[in-house]
Amino acid sequence: DAKTTQPNSMESNEEEPVHLPCNHSTISGTDYIHWYRQLPSQGPEYVIHGLTSNVNNRMASLAIAEDRKSSTLILHRATLRDAAVYYCILREPSGTYKYIFGTGTRLKVLA
Amino acid sequence: ETGVTQTPRHLVMGMTNKKSLKCEQHLGHNAMYWYKQSAKKPLELMFVYNFKEQTENNSVPSRFSPECPNSSHLFLHLHTLQPEDSALYLCASSQGPGTSATDTQYFGPGTRLTVL
Repeated sequence: DAKTTQPNSMESNEEEPVHLPCNHSTISGTDYIHWYRQLPSQGPEYVIHGLTSNVNNRMASLAIAEDRKSSTLILHRATLRDAAVYYCILREPSGTYKYIFGTGTRLKVLA
Repeated sequence: ETGVTQTPRHLVMGMTNKKSLKCEQHLGHNAMYWYKQSAKKPLELMFVYNFKEQTENNSVPSRFSPECPNSSHLFLHLHTLQPEDSALYLCASSQGPGTSATDTQYFGPGTRLTVL
């Protein structure tokens, strides 16, 4: 399974943008890039996913490098409620169902 | 209720006890999952069920016994556990493999298990 590498922790000030990086140099051409986050005392929740093109939704944006060996989750205006562990996960396409979670990035948001 | 629910939220048990964790999903999904999250370790996939059939057992010890009576309910039966089995046990559901190339998983809040 292709692996991802993320920084252990990051800090951001409230109301400022946050860029959470993820390296996945062994990604295959068909792997989707998923991001989940885990708020304190909760299970992980879906944030966003993409394949090749940049993606936007109400929670975040996902910027994918042209060679797909890295991606960045962008929170446009961090709030205190965004403090969580963010996981970048590669997932094979239809036919399998495995998510391989890494240790993620713990995001601390400062008031 | 909506989403994925798990009961109990907290459980303390002795090594000789038998207990069960329950998961229920109200999303109309076909696949259900058990994950284990130990302190300072990544989430580990334990079991996968698709249309009530077990499709994956990730080398889980036999003291953990899953049961999926229907697509909405998933149980994890526990017996003769060890202290190192103390962890957060998370249930998830999804539409299921083959339904979508992305098949998002929805997680419950977890059961915090402590084995004394």
